[in-house]
Amino acid sequence: QVQLVESGGGLVKPGGSLRLSCAASGFTFSDYYMSWIRQAPGKGLEWVSYISTSGPTLNYADSVKGRFTISRDNAKNSLHLQMNSLRADDTALYYCAREVVGVGAHYFDFWGQGTLVTVSS
Amino acid sequence: SYVVTQPPSVSVAPGKTARITCGGNNIGSKNVHWYQQKPGQAPVLVIYNDSDRPSGIPERFSGSNSGNTATLTISRVEAGDEADYSCQLWDSTADHRVFGGGTKLTVL
Repeated sequence: QVQLVESGGGLVKPGGSLRLSCAASGFTFSDYYMSWIRQAPGKGLEWVSYISTSGPTLNYADSVKGRFTISRDNAKNSLHLQMNSLRADDTALYYCAREVVGVGAHYFDFWGQGTLVTVSS
Repeated sequence: SYVVTQPPSVSVAPGKTARITCGGNNIGSKNVHWYQQKPGQAPVLVIYNDSDRPSGIPERFSGSNSGNTATLTISRVEAGDEADYSCQLWDSTADHRVFGGGTKLTVL
């Protein structure tokens, strides 16, 4: 069965860095786009970043562009998010999600349980 | 970038029909997807490509999309349907994935 397990969250001071990881299993990881999606406490879902199957294509939400870097290691079935210059409004539960790509459609059919990032002094 | 709007809350009595909307400029030209999220749980895909249901999702869940509004319809609502529902689409211009703000469905 498909499993996505995030790790790497924690408490970090403003301006600090954190690296999130997502371990994938139960499917051919290299066949799928992957995304990070976050949810601030009590708020809605916010897409953060995506990466294509082999990584040459990626993009970021405007709110994180220039500060976050997405990457993947298909040999290790893992997805990563390097987060630099963290701010208080980056505080959220960060989900890793498998992305299905169709004609004119990109959606998320499996999600991990999330890892919590708290940015506070 | 593209903006989608959802009502913050919808209430419905058990056994009735709930309709949750997702508004956007000419959203009918885009593929809209819907997620259910219960407290403390990860989101679950309930409708994709406007009206398709993943395996395991009850037929009570259906979707439509036309003009400036996409709609998630839940028929014969049950207490277990109480959750937050979010729409999502792909903004091809920016190559961004966009979520609506979410709608809390309350079963009275």
